[in-house]
Amino acid sequence: DGGITQSPKYLFRKEGQNVTLSCEQNLNHDAMYWYRQDPGQGLRLIYYSQIVNDFQKGDIAEGYSVSREKKESFPLTVTSAQKNPTAFYLCASSTRDKDEQYFGPGTRLTVT
Amino acid sequence: AQKVTQAQTEISVVEKEDVTLDCVYETRDTTYYLFWYKQPPSGELVFLIRRNSFDEQNEISGRYSWNFQKSTSSFNFTITASQVVDSAVYFCALSEATQGGSEKLVFGKGTKLTVNP
Repeated sequence: DGGITQSPKYLFRKEGQNVTLSCEQNLNHDAMYWYRQDPGQGLRLIYYSQIVNDFQKGDIAEGYSVSREKKESFPLTVTSAQKNPTAFYLCASSTRDKDEQYFGPGTRLTVT
Repeated sequence: AQKVTQAQTEISVVEKEDVTLDCVYETRDTTYYLFWYKQPPSGELVFLIRRNSFDEQNEISGRYSWNFQKSTSSFNFTITASQVVDSAVYFCALSEATQGGSEKLVFGKGTKLTVNP
């Protein structure tokens, strides 16, 4: 079955540690995205990538970094510079022709 | 800048009632896309519909229907004869084209719908 996987579902880290969230898709989509969702809020775009080895900052990129070495993978690193990292993180992908985005199940990150 | 407003933060209805979720958007683009997504308690967003700005025809899919009115910049979503399984957070989103040809989505803050038995 085609889809997007994110692992783990729940992640706990101590303050000051970097943490990497995984996102893999087998939909053969060119574009991939990372969103952050806070309680009672919509989704906010962190980073997006339209093609391998290329990515752009979204609306709230500070404190985050990404890489896109393979078409299928778009990992997100939450660095210690991110002041409020506790949130629900969603990965998505789409074709390049304005089709809808498909979302993964999300990773809930808690930093204490 | 693009903006999506979902004024209803929470709605609670009794099963079998009809319910309409409002979505108002702002954009300077002449070509754009509007979307509705459903987020059940599990957290994963489920795509419901995509509408091209040039297509103002209303759409019906089973118990779901959408009313797109360009004149009022609205894209409202109606669930007819609601069911408990419809309980979720619903997001309206607006596309914003990027230089590379794909699209960014600007999301509203969502409307939490609770359908009580």
